[in-house]
Amino acid sequence: EVQLVESGGGLGQPGGSLRLSCAVSGFTFSSYAMSWVRQAPGKGLEWVSSMSASGETSYYADSVKGRFIISRDNSKNTLYLQMNSLGAEDTAVYSCAKDRDPFGVVYMDVWGKGTTVTVSS
Amino acid sequence: SYVLTQPPSVSVAPGKTARITCGGSNIVRKSVHWYQQKPGQAPVLVVCDDSDRPSGIPERFSGSNSGNTATLAISRVEAGDEADYYCQVWDSSSDQVVFGGGTKLTVL
Repeated sequence: EVQLVESGGGLGQPGGSLRLSCAVSGFTFSSYAMSWVRQAPGKGLEWVSSMSASGETSYYADSVKGRFIISRDNSKNTLYLQMNSLGAEDTAVYSCAKDRDPFGVVYMDVWGKGTTVTVSS
Repeated sequence: SYVLTQPPSVSVAPGKTARITCGGSNIVRKSVHWYQQKPGQAPVLVVCDDSDRPSGIPERFSGSNSGNTATLAISRVEAGDEADYYCQVWDSSSDQVVFGGGTKLTVL
């Protein structure tokens, strides 16, 4: 069974940092690009970042570029999102998703349930 | 950056066909994908590459793409189809994923 399980969410301070993890099982992690997508309370889906299967290529939304860093450890079947300089606008449920393709982002065919990030003092 | 525009809401009677549009500049040149999200649940891919259905998705779900509008059609609508629906493309000019704002489907 394919599973994506996010962790690392919680309360973050404005200007602070959090690191999210997404542990996957049930498929060959190193063969697929992966993405982070967030959803603020009562709002729609917002793409955050994606990374190719090899980890060589990464992509970012303008809203997080320069603040967030996506990475992956294919030996641990885990995707990460380092979130820095947090602001209230980053409050959301963050989900990881598997792409159909190894090289770039086409579409996301499997999603995790997400982890909640709340940025507040 | 590329923008996808969806109507905020669509209502349909049970048994009828619901059509949800996704507008974008010359969207026909892009591959459009559709997701269904029910309250408290993760999104589910229902249509990919404009009109393909992933395994396990009922034939009632279909997609099309022409000109500046892509459309998700749901025939013989059931109460269980009530959900938010999002379209998505990859914008190669900016190297970014773009989601539409989402459409809430209400089954009357």
